[in-house]
Amino acid sequence: EDQVTQSPEALRLQEGESSSLNCSYTVSGLRGLFWYRQDPGKGPEFLFTLYSAGEEKEKERLKATLTKKESFLHITAPKPEDSATYLCAVFNDYKLSFGAGTTVTVRA
Amino acid sequence: DAEITQSPRHKITETGRQVTLACHQTWNHNNMFWYRQDLGHGLRLIHYSYGVQDTNKGEVSDGYSVSRSNTEDLPLTLESAASSQTSVYFCASSDLTSGRTDTQYFGPGTRLTVL
Repeated sequence: EDQVTQSPEALRLQEGESSSLNCSYTVSGLRGLFWYRQDPGKGPEFLFTLYSAGEEKEKERLKATLTKKESFLHITAPKPEDSATYLCAVFNDYKLSFGAGTTVTVRA
Repeated sequence: DAEITQSPRHKITETGRQVTLACHQTWNHNNMFWYRQDLGHGLRLIHYSYGVQDTNKGEVSDGYSVSRSNTEDLPLTLESAASSQTSVYFCASSDLTSGRTDTQYFGPGTRLTVL
């Protein structure tokens, strides 16, 4: 059975304090690893898709990387508007399997 | 702009009642999905459809049903609502035919409370 584990559960950062979120996974035949951002009361918003180990993608202050067993979401010099829950998911065969998410709070 | 909408956004119902949650997408995507989101569990797949007249069970399908009569809509029905079905429900859509990318785009969610 596919398993996706995200850590930490919660992360409190000072504005400008860079950090990383971890997503470890076990899946047979990974067809893609997805990162989503979710704001309170809203649906998940797509950020990145990674397909193979060594792949990296960037968007503003966010950078996602992928190895054979885990993915990292690096937040560089975060701002308060980066506060959200970040969800990781793996796609295998027909469905996405999601982790429970990491809630990031950035204080000004 | 293309979008995916859900209605109602909030619903309170009683145990045993039948409830239908609507999902409508204007992306013209072939694939549509229903998830529920609960604290500590993340998003879990309820049902999914790869096209008109196609429906499939996900990992938590007991007590739920879907039907797909057109490309745009995938309503989710709770046959006899139970308190354990109190949750936030999200609809999503994607287009596998676009190639290796199977990005799912989510609606705003419906918060359902079963009393």
